[in-house]
Amino acid sequence: NAGVTQTPKFRVLKTGQSMTLLCAQDMNHEYMYWYRQDPGMGLRLIHYSVGEGTTAKGEVPDGYNVSRLKKQNFLLGLESAAPSQTSVYFCASSRWTSAISYNEQFFGPGTRLTVL
Amino acid sequence: DAKTTQPTSMDCAEGRAANLPCNHSTISGNEYVYWYRQIHSQGPQYIIHGLKNNETNEMASLIITEDRKSSTLILPHATLRDTAVYYCIVRVASHGGSQGNLIFGKGTKLSVKP
Repeated sequence: NAGVTQTPKFRVLKTGQSMTLLCAQDMNHEYMYWYRQDPGMGLRLIHYSVGEGTTAKGEVPDGYNVSRLKKQNFLLGLESAAPSQTSVYFCASSRWTSAISYNEQFFGPGTRLTVL
Repeated sequence: DAKTTQPTSMDCAEGRAANLPCNHSTISGNEYVYWYRQIHSQGPQYIIHGLKNNETNEMASLIITEDRKSSTLILPHATLRDTAVYYCIVRVASHGGSQGNLIFGKGTKLSVKP
């Protein structure tokens, strides 16, 4: 299994440009998440999804949109990139389990985005 | 979710036990303690979690005080590959979704030295 993969690994945008980050998981997980990590900071949740066709806002959703048309994919879109969105973006997934204490999230390798 | 307090950085000699403390004095009865780590430039990796009993797995041990206000992650024989930022996270247990979100603080940067 590849686990969680992210495309692209690196990207440089100019202010105002748009782009889509792709996250794919092959573990049949119900839940998927998008985080951003700024230098010296922990991760902050942007959006998440509890299943195919559903999405919800996280802690820092402004300037981003998401879609989950297929269970295995979670897309993060930037409609009009701004320098403040320069960051490393991590996708994660987790499965539903009857053991509610278990919440291991599996993370992708990250996408480094620079907005000039 | 309860907040956690961790030291900014720690050093450990290779082969020795690394003990990483975490304070969570406002933890609620239904909140678990989770530990993740992030090796440089990689995504975070789950290590272990617990409620009130001590836990052990192939990676580490988790010791939670009786009053649950603090915990310690123990890496029994640290190696250079254990150099990473370690995050202590407290949150309610759930099946995921909105309550499955993880709130990462700044963590503890552990440096394992030869």
